[in-house]
Amino acid sequence: NAGVTQTPKFQVLKTGQSMTLQCAQDMNHEYMSWYRQDPGMGLRLIHYSVGAGITDQGEVPNGYNVSRSTTEDFPLRLLSAAPSQTSVYFCASKPRRNTGELFFGEGSRLTVL
Amino acid sequence: DQQVKQNSPSLSVQEGRISILNCDYTNSMFDYFLWYKKYPAEGPTFLISISSIKDKNEDGRFTVFLNKSAKHLSLHIVPSQPGDSAVYFCAASDGGATNKLIFGTGTLLAVQP
Repeated sequence: NAGVTQTPKFQVLKTGQSMTLQCAQDMNHEYMSWYRQDPGMGLRLIHYSVGAGITDQGEVPNGYNVSRSTTEDFPLRLLSAAPSQTSVYFCASKPRRNTGELFFGEGSRLTVL
Repeated sequence: DQQVKQNSPSLSVQEGRISILNCDYTNSMFDYFLWYKKYPAEGPTFLISISSIKDKNEDGRFTVFLNKSAKHLSLHIVPSQPGDSAVYFCAASDGGATNKLIFGTGTLLAVQP
């Protein structure tokens, strides 16, 4: 059982480049979300989705786009990377009916030069 | 504005003693609270949770206490073990309203042998 899978695990970008962080889960979870972790800031919610075709903004959505065309996948897109987006990104999912427990991926470390 | 706060960035305790990690929140709509544990280079993993209808929940060495009037929760680890050394995040959810999980900034616990 793979759980939540994130790719790539590491990525270096130049300012202005675009990229997509991939997230896939095989637990048939309705709810999926993206967080970023920065020193002293904890985990901050970027975007989330409560089901296919439905997405919404979290605490720090600027500079990121998401879509949810299937239950399994929830990609995070950076259209024009900035150094402020250097961070570790975590994808997480849970059954929608569940009140809280999230299952996290192992993280993707992104550096923007 | 940080809705979930962990004011102690780090905590050091001796093996066998009690570890107490604290968390404060500001949003009175939060009705479900969780603690997550995170090791370096891994995703956070769920540890223990508590609903707002309770004031205590216990699971082995881990106990979470909730004081709704003070908007404060704490995690007690007794006895502490070196393997407990990790970053601990508290998180809060408003349940069915938005299903979002908001995390605190984290506390690095070091348990000294």
